[in-house]
Amino acid sequence: AQSVTQLGSHVSVSEGALVLLRCNYSSSVPPYLFWYVQYPNQGLQLLLKYTTGATLVKGINGFEAEFKKSETSFHLTKPSAHMSDAAEYFCSLIGEGGYQKVTFGIGTKLQVIP
Amino acid sequence: NAGVTQTPKFRILKIGQSMTLQCAQDMNHNYMYWYRQDPGMGLKLIYYSVGAGITDKGEVPNGYNVSRSTTEDFPLRLELAAPSQTSVYFCASRSGTPNEKLFFGSGTQLSVL
Repeated sequence: AQSVTQLGSHVSVSEGALVLLRCNYSSSVPPYLFWYVQYPNQGLQLLLKYTTGATLVKGINGFEAEFKKSETSFHLTKPSAHMSDAAEYFCSLIGEGGYQKVTFGIGTKLQVIP
Repeated sequence: NAGVTQTPKFRILKIGQSMTLQCAQDMNHNYMYWYRQDPGMGLKLIYYSVGAGITDKGEVPNGYNVSRSTTEDFPLRLELAAPSQTSVYFCASRSGTPNEKLFFGSGTQLSVL
């Protein structure tokens, strides 16, 4: 069965530092991969997605992610953290089962320290 | 465009009571999903539907039931509520195209006491 693994349920960075949130996946078919962000007491919003084509994907708020098939990874990065980036981030996958099910990782809470 | 609408936003149930969480979308999406979110556990899929009259179990279906009589509505029924069902529930929808994102409702916070 398809799965998503997010390493690090909590990540702390200083304001202005690099943000790196890790996501690895398992799928027996070519996957579609997504990163969502959740602010407190809200639903999830799309940050970016990988479908096909260019492996480096740019999203909103300066985030980007690189799809690496050989490493089955889709890590999320941002060069310089801002206080407003503090939120929970979820990696998700659409793949097996006729591209019907959407599987999520456990989420990573990002804390930004002033 | 309202998107995905969930009601109620908050609810407290007593053990053994039943209730229905409502979810409606106005985007003519075929695919709809119910997730529960527990701290440190991410989102777990309860049930999903790929069209009116078609539903299927997700990872954690026990204690829940769904129906999909129309494209717009996808209610989640809790029978005989248990404390383990205390959670935040999210409904989501998307078109059938694999590269399209999920649209989420604002969630229902449910406590079973």
